[in-house]
Amino acid sequence: TQLLEQSPQFLSIQEGENLTVYCNSSSVFSSLQWYRQEPGEGPVLLVTVVTGGEVKKLKRLTFQFGDARKDSSLHITAAQPGDTGLYLCAGVEGNKLVFGAGTILRVKS
Amino acid sequence: EAGVVQSPRYKIIEKKQPVAFWCNPISGHNTLYWYLQNLGQGPELLIRYENEEAVDDSQLPKDRFSAERLKGVDSTLKIQPAELGDSAVYLCASSLSGYTGELFFGEGSRLTVL
Repeated sequence: TQLLEQSPQFLSIQEGENLTVYCNSSSVFSSLQWYRQEPGEGPVLLVTVVTGGEVKKLKRLTFQFGDARKDSSLHITAAQPGDTGLYLCAGVEGNKLVFGAGTILRVKS
Repeated sequence: EAGVVQSPRYKIIEKKQPVAFWCNPISGHNTLYWYLQNLGQGPELLIRYENEEAVDDSQLPKDRFSAERLKGVDSTLKIQPAELGDSAVYLCASSLSGYTGELFFGEGSRLTVL
């Protein structure tokens, strides 16, 4: 069974600070997805990374896929209250999609 | 374009009672998923359909859970009888075809078993 470990589990920061959350596994994934989920809503896809070492930017969010395709990170620059939510990574391997437990981010104004 | 629609949004029942959740996926999406999500945790797959065929139900507790996707469109997830530990959010998602693309999730059905 593939496991995705996310860290930290919970992060509370002030508006304007930078942060990085991590997604690690001992398994190799063909691709990795990052989702954000707000309270009372379903997860919404932010990005998919496919190539080892790939870096994708989405406004203030920077996603990186590890060279060995076993880990990924999400860096947020100048966090805003609207970034608050549960950030989930999900690894694709064959016909399986495995979600991590998520990082709960709270950005205070 | 309408998203994935789920109902009911909330359901409170007593243990041993039955409950059913309904999902209408995005039009044209062949793959439909039912996930279970506990508070502060990631979604866990219960069952995946390709059209009307259940292609992965290995994590579905078949003694009390059942699902169907008639005509390869809408789907229903049933629990009978419900147990206290079934309290969770049940998420439905759909995608064009498998995991290669984006999964679109509904808002979920929150179940509380008393």
